Amino acid sequence: EAQVTQNPRYLITVTGKKLTVTCSQNMNHEYMSWYRQDPGLGLRQIYYSMNVEVTDKGDVPEGYKVSRKEKRNFPLILESPSPNQTSLYFCASSSTANTQYFGPGTRLTVL
Amino acid sequence: RKEVEQDPGPFNVPEGATVAFNCTYSNSASQSFFWYRQDCRKEPKLLMSVYSSGNEDGRFTAQLNRASQYISLLIRDSKLSDSATYLCVVNNGTGFQKLVFGTGTRLLVSP
Repeated sequence: EAQVTQNPRYLITVTGKKLTVTCSQNMNHEYMSWYRQDPGLGLRQIYYSMNVEVTDKGDVPEGYKVSRKEKRNFPLILESPSPNQTSLYFCASSSTANTQYFGPGTRLTVL
Repeated sequence: RKEVEQDPGPFNVPEGATVAFNCTYSNSASQSFFWYRQDCRKEPKLLMSVYSSGNEDGRFTAQLNRASQYISLLIRDSKLSDSATYLCVVNNGTGFQKLVFGTGTRLLVSP
């Protein structure tokens, strides 16, 4: 089954404790992206990657890092999480410029 | 001004009703347009692309007005299962994969 998977789905952590949210797709898509969704603000792009070893900042990259060592994986790293990074995070992948397939989401709470 | 603006709703309609949502975008260079559907706490999923000539998919009709910079979605014969949030999405043409999401319009269809 074609899908985008994310782990963990739910995470509660404390300020400053490094964490990684994994994202994996099995559709051989070149493009992958991370978004965060907050009430009243909609989905905002954090980082995106056009292919292996090619990543670029989206609209809200501060406090996040990404890597793309393999085509299928695109982890999101929070080196020192803060409460304002409490949000719902979505990973997405696509093979075209437009249609994106989203993962199920990761709900992160930073205390 | 937000790049993509939508009425948040909620729109409360009875089953069988026809309902229409509008969305406005600010970047006249926007290249392509979409409607995504998002169920509560789930990932967004592509509902349909929006073409200049207008397009229809079953009970759903999408229209684009470039001169006025707005996009519309019409749902005929509403079903209970249509209850969801509808996201207006624009590729603003400033780069590959630069999708901008509206905050969504919530639809509630009641028996």
